[in-house]
Amino acid sequence: LAKTTQPVSMDSYEGQEVNITCSHNNIATNDYITWYQQFPSQGPRFIIQGYKTKVTNEVASLFIPADRKSSTLSLPRVSLSDTAVYYCLARGNNNDMRFGAGTRLTVKP
Amino acid sequence: DTEVTQTPKHLVMGMTNKKSLKCEQHMGHRAMYWYKQKAKKPPELMFVYSYEKLSINESVPSRFSPECPNSSLLNLHLHALQPEDSALYLCASSQGWTGMNTEAFFGQGTRLTVV
Repeated sequence: LAKTTQPVSMDSYEGQEVNITCSHNNIATNDYITWYQQFPSQGPRFIIQGYKTKVTNEVASLFIPADRKSSTLSLPRVSLSDTAVYYCLARGNNNDMRFGAGTRLTVKP
Repeated sequence: DTEVTQTPKHLVMGMTNKKSLKCEQHMGHRAMYWYKQKAKKPPELMFVYSYEKLSINESVPSRFSPECPNSSLLNLHLHALQPEDSALYLCASSQGWTGMNTEAFFGQGTRLTVV
């Protein structure tokens, strides 16, 4: 299971784009990169998942370079309600799903 | 239905009590998980069931006893807990098919306080 490293915290302002980078130097060939969002006293919620290049959905984009040793979650035009903890996981095709320390994002008015 | 339902939402128990946490999903998922989360910390994996069999036990103390009666239900039996076991207990499920890497759905958690 690849260890992931993220910034402990980030601040942003409403309307800005936020990019959170995750390092996973020892990622395995079978590992996917998955991001979750968690609000206080709630369970984590899936945001996006990818294997390589770029993935986009209605809430975020995920950029994974060719060497796959890092990935960047991009949140366009954040709002106050995006204030949360964001977790990056590098997970293989099994059920071993462990969370790293996460990044605490604070969006200010 | 993409919900994972956990009951109760809150639980206060004494150190000599026996209680159970319950988790239910009806998405046909075959992998179910228990996590423990302390304040301002990430969720910590405790147990994973795959096709109703315990596949991961993260050296959790025996005062926590998981049970998977069927593919939709997951229980966590609690006995002789300590105050430091007070935390948010999260249940999750995912499709669990070998070779498939799919998103996991989490319940809202049970806030446990041991007094």
